[in-house]
Order: sequence, then C-alpha cells, then structure tokens
Amino acid sequence: KNEVEQSPQNLTAQEGEFITINCSYSVGISALHWLQQHPGGGIVSLFMLSSGKKKHGRLIATINIQEKHSSLHITASHPRDSAVYICAVRSRERSQGNLIFGKGTKLSVKP
Amino acid sequence: DAGVIQSPRHEVTEMGQEVTLRCKPISGHNSLFWYRQTMMRGLELLIYFNNNVPIDDSGMPEDRFSAKMPNASFSTLKIQPSEPRDSAVYFCASSPFLSGGTYEQYFGPGTRLTVT
Repeated sequence: KNEVEQSPQNLTAQEGEFITINCSYSVGISALHWLQQHPGGGIVSLFMLSSGKKKHGRLIATINIQEKHSSLHITASHPRDSAVYICAVRSRERSQGNLIFGKGTKLSVKP
Repeated sequence: DAGVIQSPRHEVTEMGQEVTLRCKPISGHNSLFWYRQTMMRGLELLIYFNNNVPIDDSGMPEDRFSAKMPNASFSTLKIQPSEPRDSAVYFCASSPFLSGGTYEQYFGPGTRLTVT
C-alpha cells in the first residue's frame, strides 16, 4: 500500500464547479505539500501546511493531523485550473528533505 | 529572480552513453533536490543536498547514478552508462532552508531524458 494515497485519480468538472481533491497518508508527518503540475510539465508549489487551513485566491487547503487526511479545494473552477495536483508529505521517519509523493490527481475543467 | 534553471531541457541519447544533467538553484537557497518522474512511479526523490553536502541519497537507483554539488550555485546529476529504463523527466528543486524546518520547494522546468 502506498504511504500517500490521492483520490480521485482523474476528475472532470464543468467550469464554475467546486472541486475537492483528497489526500490520505499512513505515516507520521511534519508537513504536507500540495503541488500543481501544468500540462507542459512545470511544477509549482501551492501550499505547505502542518495544521489547520490555508487559502490562496480560489484555492483552499486543509489538513487533519489526527485523521491523517488533507483536502485541496478549488472554488469557481476554471479551465486554466486543468493540471495534475500532487500531494506530498514530509515523514518524521525519514530524513528532513525526503518527501513522499502521491500519484497525483489529473483535473480537467471543461468550459 | 530567474528561478531554478535546468539544462538541457531535452536529451536523447543511446544506451550506454554518459548523460549529465545540470541545475542552477535559486540564489540564496541552501537545499537542492533531484527528482525523477515516470508514468509508472510518479515523482521520486533521488538525492538532496544541504549547504552543498549530500544528506540523503537513498533514492539513487544504483551506482550508475551520481550527483555532485561543487558549489552553492551548481549541481550535476550523471548517469553512466545510461539505459532505456532511465528515460524519465528529471526535476531539480531548491529550497531556502531545511534544517529544523520545512520550506517550500521551487522546481525547475525539468529535463526530459530519452534513452534509446
């Protein structure tokens, strides 16, 4: 079983819809990252969080440490949000820089 | 700031050849990471450096892979000899500080390697 699981693997939405991507992990962590990979391949860090909730524009990330679960929400989705969203955790059992990555969620937003 | 710079962006080589990938981190960043991304395995950490010193190379697949960071502004990842299964996108990322905390990582555009 993977240490970081994301769901769904693929997601298609209509423009304007509210989107939720989930990430569950099985290890003790000190931080969790959400990354966005554009169709061209570039990777951008969206959020890094260790508790609670963070918001940036239309993006909201939450984490529940007790339940070992994080969600990434996109409000008023737009075709330019189409990308692969990757969850990664920094495990307390591994060296500090060693992130464990989920397989990603491919999001496609239709106009 | 120019961001993390990687070269080449694309590399096509024949099996058995030596391949060298290059990375220039963001100025002032103390940590540098090399990742590999494939369809089958997703993103995997190969090695990371803190203040030019290799900290964790447990992700380096085998002795054919080596990485160096001779100074704070340059790192190389070398594969010798290359094999078709090394075909992947290799990302370099840098982070402002690592020890005692976690900071966001800034990714380069990646090098797409194809070994025929």
